[in-house]
Amino acid sequence: GEDVEQSLFLSVREGDSSVINCTYTDSSSTYLYWYKQEPGAGLQLLTYIFSNMDMKQDQRLTVLLNKKDKHLSLRIADTQTGDSAIYFCAESMMWQLTFGSGTQLTVLP
Amino acid sequence: NAGVTQTPKFQVLKTGQSMTLQCAQDMNHNSMYWYRQDPGMGLRLIYYSASEGTTDKGEVPNGYNVSRLNKREFSLRLESAAPSQTSVYFCASSDPTGLGQPQHFGDGTRLSIL
Repeated sequence: GEDVEQSLFLSVREGDSSVINCTYTDSSSTYLYWYKQEPGAGLQLLTYIFSNMDMKQDQRLTVLLNKKDKHLSLRIADTQTGDSAIYFCAESMMWQLTFGSGTQLTVLP
Repeated sequence: NAGVTQTPKFQVLKTGQSMTLQCAQDMNHNSMYWYRQDPGMGLRLIYYSASEGTTDKGEVPNGYNVSRLNKREFSLRLESAAPSQTSVYFCASSDPTGLGQPQHFGDGTRLSIL
């Protein structure tokens, strides 16, 4: 079955880079996604990567995909206090998404 | 620019009561979704609607029914609430020209079943 795993917590200092990691199991996933959830709010689609790509950059965000190891990462450059949130990775099959449990990112001053 | 609007934001029910969670989007999106979020878990899909008049079961549909009333509105009904349905419920929609995955989420309905 499908399973997406993430570490639960990550703390970084303001201005440092954050790297949030994710592993997935379904090698036939077409897209992989990163969502951000701020307290008391719904999820916000941050970025995505097509499964035949290795890397995608979008301003401060860099997504790396290692398809052989089924490993996905999200790097946030120059992390700010406003980046404190829960980050979810998700893999897709057709119209179904399987989400990880989320990584709580805390940005320390 | 409202996006996806869910009502109510909070609700407490007794076991066996029924209620309907409302969701509306003003972005002219075809696809709409209902998810539940439980502590320490990712979102799980309850139901999905690709367009007005069509619905499909997701991963955890038992105990729920949905209605896609029109293009804007997608409601979720609990006919006989159970404590296991205590959760945060999110409605979402997606742009037909986009990825086909949920892009816009409401702020959630926090539901407690006693």
